[in-house]
Amino acid sequence: DSGVTQTPKHLITATGQRVTLRCSPRSGDLSVYWYQQSLDQGLQFLIQYYNGEERAKGNILERFSAQQFPDLHSELNLSSLELGDSALYFCASSGRLAGAYNEQFFGPGTRLTVL
Amino acid sequence: AQSVTQLGSHVSVSEGALVLLRCNYSSSVPPYLFWYVQYPNQGLQLLLKYTSAATLVKGINGFEAEFKKSETSFHLTKPSAHMSDAAEYFCAVSDQWSNDMRFGAGTRLTVKP
Repeated sequence: DSGVTQTPKHLITATGQRVTLRCSPRSGDLSVYWYQQSLDQGLQFLIQYYNGEERAKGNILERFSAQQFPDLHSELNLSSLELGDSALYFCASSGRLAGAYNEQFFGPGTRLTVL
Repeated sequence: AQSVTQLGSHVSVSEGALVLLRCNYSSSVPPYLFWYVQYPNQGLQLLLKYTSAATLVKGINGFEAEFKKSETSFHLTKPSAHMSDAAEYFCAVSDQWSNDMRFGAGTRLTVKP
């Protein structure tokens, strides 16, 4: 158990809909990262927050957005969903902004299926 | 920009045989390198990391990796495979200044009895 929790575990929805994925980092970790894992794209970094502020952006679509709240939990919002958005979405957390010991601890993931 | 390339999307070995999973990196600054393992229906778990100290890094479950700057490689090895090692393995690169980690495409390891 990494200490990172994600809800829900599974989500099935229709094209055009909007969903929210939730992540609670390990106790004390200030950084939260979001990743998308799909068969054709592999593991893609989406976005990082540190102590409530956006710090880095990866391959995140404009239809996707995220935020980190004062209690440090984070939400990833996916809107106007398309079939291609079906994937595993992972959240990870780390204790440092950047640096040599930037080990990330991963949650169990949310499996999103868009029908 | 940093990146890693994992050679071989699938590797199959017999139980008790040597495991060798290959990773080459590209980085314009001194890299920090990681190997993660993903078991079915689970998140990623850190196996080991290189952060510019010893070039031979020992991790959990008997795995180790050697950083070779001249070859820009960070291959993962284990002397004797166990059935429980069957999983997907990801190599990743970061550095002292990065806020994100770049992952390779992953290598699926199968262990035959």
